[in-house]
Amino acid sequence: DTEVTQTPKHLVMGMTNKKSLKCEQHMGHRAMYWYKQKAKKPPELMFVYSYEKLSINESVPSRFSPECPNSSLLNLHLHALQPEDSALYLCASTQNQARSTDTQYFGPGTRLTVL
Amino acid sequence: AQSVTQPDIHITVSEGASLELRCNYSYGATPYLFWYVQSPGQGLQLLLKYFSGDTLVQGIKGFEAEFKRSQSSFNLRKPSVHWSDAAEYFCAVGRYETSYDKVIFGPGTSLSVIP
Repeated sequence: DTEVTQTPKHLVMGMTNKKSLKCEQHMGHRAMYWYKQKAKKPPELMFVYSYEKLSINESVPSRFSPECPNSSLLNLHLHALQPEDSALYLCASTQNQARSTDTQYFGPGTRLTVL
Repeated sequence: AQSVTQPDIHITVSEGASLELRCNYSYGATPYLFWYVQSPGQGLQLLLKYFSGDTLVQGIKGFEAEFKRSQSSFNLRKPSVHWSDAAEYFCAVGRYETSYDKVIFGPGTSLSVIP
């Protein structure tokens, strides 16, 4: 099973809402990632968890809050977002701790629209 | 600064024709190089990667890429394109920053295939 799943597929939220994105993998991977991708742009790294600990935060605003409850699950909690946060949010995982040599397995993404 | 460029924003080819997508990188040391493909509404999938050794790398779906250190290039090729190859293609480089590895994606090349 080389699948990373993400829910929901689509999410529309207002600027005062609180919502969460969920990512799950059952490949036994120990590093998980959140990326943000705007239309016609490459993915931009947001957060990396290695062995369930936050190892990289790419200066992401605090209205995005990641959580890694266990080695298979990664959440992204959203609060007080802005319209410019509308994007495709991608989750990925790698087998070992976050190394740039490892193949990243991506989920299909959550398409987020902030009104 | 290390970077990845993809000179072609958009390419259109006829089905059955050959394909070459260009990628240039700027990196002081031996780079880790990747090609990912993203179909519409999907996450990214690794096509192939290069770390060392044979400079001609074979990947999935009939793709190959050649690393040329003298030209700082890692171009992706396919001898005969299928309509299902229409997608966004990202070249990426793995690099080590002060305390961690990360993968930097190029801006992408959008491929259209004419039947």
